[in-house]
Amino acid sequence: GENVEQHPSTLSVQEGDSAVIKCTYSDSASNYFPWYKQELGKGPQLIIDIRSNVGEKKDQRIAVTLNKTAKHFSLHITETQPEDSAVYFCAAHPITTNAGGTSYGKLTFGQGTILTVHP
Amino acid sequence: NAGVTQTPKFRILKIGQSMTLQCTQDMNHNYMYWYRQDPGMGLKLIYYSVGAGITDKGEVPNGYNVSRSTTEDFPLRLELAAPSQTSVYFCASSYPNRGRSNASNSPLHFGNGTRLTVT
Repeated sequence: GENVEQHPSTLSVQEGDSAVIKCTYSDSASNYFPWYKQELGKGPQLIIDIRSNVGEKKDQRIAVTLNKTAKHFSLHITETQPEDSAVYFCAAHPITTNAGGTSYGKLTFGQGTILTVHP
Repeated sequence: NAGVTQTPKFRILKIGQSMTLQCTQDMNHNYMYWYRQDPGMGLKLIYYSVGAGITDKGEVPNGYNVSRSTTEDFPLRLELAAPSQTSVYFCASSYPNRGRSNASNSPLHFGNGTRLTVT
């Protein structure tokens, strides 16, 4: 099955600096790579995702890059703010198609990165 | 919409006791999932369901059971609680994308979790 490795496990930055979190995956069939942010006491929430037909996607201060050849993808947060402090999870999505033709998959998550942004 | 609602928020069980973690969603999502989250381990898939009456095992199903009698509800049952089941449990739901072989699910919508301690 799919295996996703995420680094670093903890990341501490000063407000205004950039933060980068990296993930590698093992299953070359994976073609969907979401990133989730989890605040204390809450469930994970999708912040950005990328599909394998693009190499980069940006949404304001957040960007994700994908290198399918090397099987790695990264989350970039620029101009970090204290409210960016949270646990971030990457995930990979191997596609499965059943006999009825419906496509679905099961996310495999990385181990998580605790990001702390100091004011 | 309330989204995905999990109850209870916290529970302490003695070894050998049983309990049901409740999960309901009001977004008319076909797919529902149960994940467990352990420190430094990310989220591991326990069971999932692609529709009412259909369930399947995920990565770590041992010691758990599920049922899906309605689209809205997906309860998780622990029959004989063990200390290894101490964890935070998250329920999630999503739409499928039908009829496209390279499609993937809509983003997962998570509940706020149930923190379970078995002593």
